[in-house]
Amino acid sequence: EPEVTQTPSHQVTQMGQEVILRCVPISNHLYFYWYRQILGQKVEFLVSFYNNEISEKSEIFDDQFSVERPDGSNFTLKIRSTKLEDSAMYFCASVGIVVRILSYEQYFGPGTRLTVT
Amino acid sequence: DAKTTQPPSMDCAEGRAANLPCNHSTISGNEYVYWYRQIHSQGPQYIIHGLKNNETNEMASLIITEDRKSSTLILPHATLRDTAVYYCIVRGSNFGNEKLTFGTGTRLTIIP
Repeated sequence: EPEVTQTPSHQVTQMGQEVILRCVPISNHLYFYWYRQILGQKVEFLVSFYNNEISEKSEIFDDQFSVERPDGSNFTLKIRSTKLEDSAMYFCASVGIVVRILSYEQYFGPGTRLTVT
Repeated sequence: DAKTTQPPSMDCAEGRAANLPCNHSTISGNEYVYWYRQIHSQGPQYIIHGLKNNETNEMASLIITEDRKSSTLILPHATLRDTAVYYCIVRGSNFGNEKLTFGTGTRLTIIP
């Protein structure tokens, strides 16, 4: 069964450093998302991406964050200057073919654990 | 999106049916009820969704009340691997481009 993959599984970085989290969505999927989950807290939406541009972003997704789909397969989340509070699990998700009209499912990757020290 | 209310935790004996309730009294006519689960710290996993009719797939059944103000997710024969946090999410039908808003969910523990 096709699945969303994410690399690395765990990233440790120092405060102020740039990190790039990578995702490979399911082939032929059209919509892409990033979510994050701080330890012990809810899963929070960060950004959605469609047709090579951001569709929606949350308040969390400030100027330190950016997303890119550099080629036909990868979808990346960049944090320019990491802060301690960026430590979290980051999940990528994608949506593809509509199974039924007006309904669809988001498929999530296994996540990248980002630890900022 | 309409807000949902779920019990924070539930236990269920292995092999029995697990019934997870969700209240969504402010749901509007074009909003769907989705269920996802998260096993430990893995990525959320889609389970099932519905609009107004009851739905069943290989994982679970979804029962939506006639007034659509509440629903119940049923795992017919719970196994230890079903131990997870289950999220009931109400969202609109904006094709494709719609984020999921997660609450705190119900932590379901399957007891051997």
